[in-house]
Amino acid sequence: QQQVKQSPQSLIVQKGGISIINCAYENTAFDYFPWYQQFPGKGPALLIAIRPDVSEKKEGRFTISFNKSAKQFSLHIMDSQPGDSATYFCAARSGHGGATNKLIFGTGTLLAVQP
Amino acid sequence: DAGITQSPRYKITETGRQVTLMCHQTWSHSYMFWYRQDLGHGLRLIYYSAAADITDKGEVPDGYVVSRSKTENFPLTLESATRSQTSVYFCASSEVNTEAFFGQGTRLTVV
Repeated sequence: QQQVKQSPQSLIVQKGGISIINCAYENTAFDYFPWYQQFPGKGPALLIAIRPDVSEKKEGRFTISFNKSAKQFSLHIMDSQPGDSATYFCAARSGHGGATNKLIFGTGTLLAVQP
Repeated sequence: DAGITQSPRYKITETGRQVTLMCHQTWSHSYMFWYRQDLGHGLRLIYYSAAADITDKGEVPDGYVVSRSKTENFPLTLESATRSQTSVYFCASSEVNTEAFFGQGTRLTVV
């Protein structure tokens, strides 16, 4: 059962363009939605995260848009650069009592930014 | 060095053998996790631990065993390795409601 669905599986963007990756979730108990960035041969690293009490969070060129009613959230990378080429994972976590603290990941998006 | 380290980085083993992947963190984080990464499946949770001597199953626990006798260590054992367990394994740690930090991963090949 895939609780977090991510699309597209791969994405090619020209340098300077906008990269958009989408995720949808089912469990309304989720209350923390991070995006992780992974370079080849490395472990995933937190890029940006949002909680459902806000609809948007921006950090530099990276923005999360969150639609609570639709149970969807997306990552926008503005002015995409070749150095952004990596695999991106969305994730979700239930914070109820902090009992599990476990992240459920999407299937990942391989982003290639062409110079 | 502070951080989370996994060993070995690469491992080739034969079907039916027992193999243990090690994970060590220096932050004294309460939570530790084991994920496997496979193309088309993303990162799937195998087991997690909320504290020493407390462990629980994740999404794909079959064929794996974990233990956590010390806060800083969380080894993952494949009791009888199968080819379907060929994967990249990631260990992670976090505190309650904080960022999860991942290790560099262990690439395991079962032949």
